[in-house]
Amino acid sequence: GAGVSQSPSNKVTEKGKDVELRCDPISGHTALYWYRQRLGQGLEFLIYFQGNSAPDKSGLPSDRFSAERTGESVSTLTIQRTQQEDSAVYLCASSSGTGFLNTIYFGEGSWLTVV
Amino acid sequence: KNEVEQSPQNLTAQEGEFITINCSYSVGISALHWLQQHPGGGIVSLFMLSSGKKKHGRLIATINIQEKHSSLHITASHPRDSAVYICAGGFGNEKLTFGTGTRLTIIP
Repeated sequence: GAGVSQSPSNKVTEKGKDVELRCDPISGHTALYWYRQRLGQGLEFLIYFQGNSAPDKSGLPSDRFSAERTGESVSTLTIQRTQQEDSAVYLCASSSGTGFLNTIYFGEGSWLTVV
Repeated sequence: KNEVEQSPQNLTAQEGEFITINCSYSVGISALHWLQQHPGGGIVSLFMLSSGKKKHGRLIATINIQEKHSSLHITASHPRDSAVYICAGGFGNEKLTFGTGTRLTIIP
């Protein structure tokens, strides 16, 4: 696609439910990133994919968070047993190579509210 | 520890003013990114630079490797420039380290 696409754009869920957030990166981009931004705070790194592999999962806040990527394309971030502190905007980004040396393109984000 | 610090946190200026946002970082940076986040959350990459200076329209980004410092300048500022500007450092891994952002408000 022309840009990084994320869905859903907004999600309200009850505490304890599982949620899945989807990211479609720019076609051909090998690197894919997930970030989280809580209200009024800065961006936090969650996980990075190079192809379908995730060399660095160190940013995932707990074992309730997991992510996968298939076909070197779509990625899904799953949050199990959601808690109120999971409320945030989850941003996906992609780049054509090593992100810190290439322009990074961000999606519009998925706004998650846990009530 | 990889660190990136921005200043000021908030900046309000009149339309037409020259704007400077500063970013300092710890040793070991390979590249520095300037990002713009609009109200509503969308983030746009403005610049990626590892040395020297880049210019795009009214925006100019510079980096001084020796001083571990980068600046983002906006000439002839306009209300549509109002946004949060974020610098982020690439320290040789994929985990960009983000500054806390500078909230810029341009008053007509």
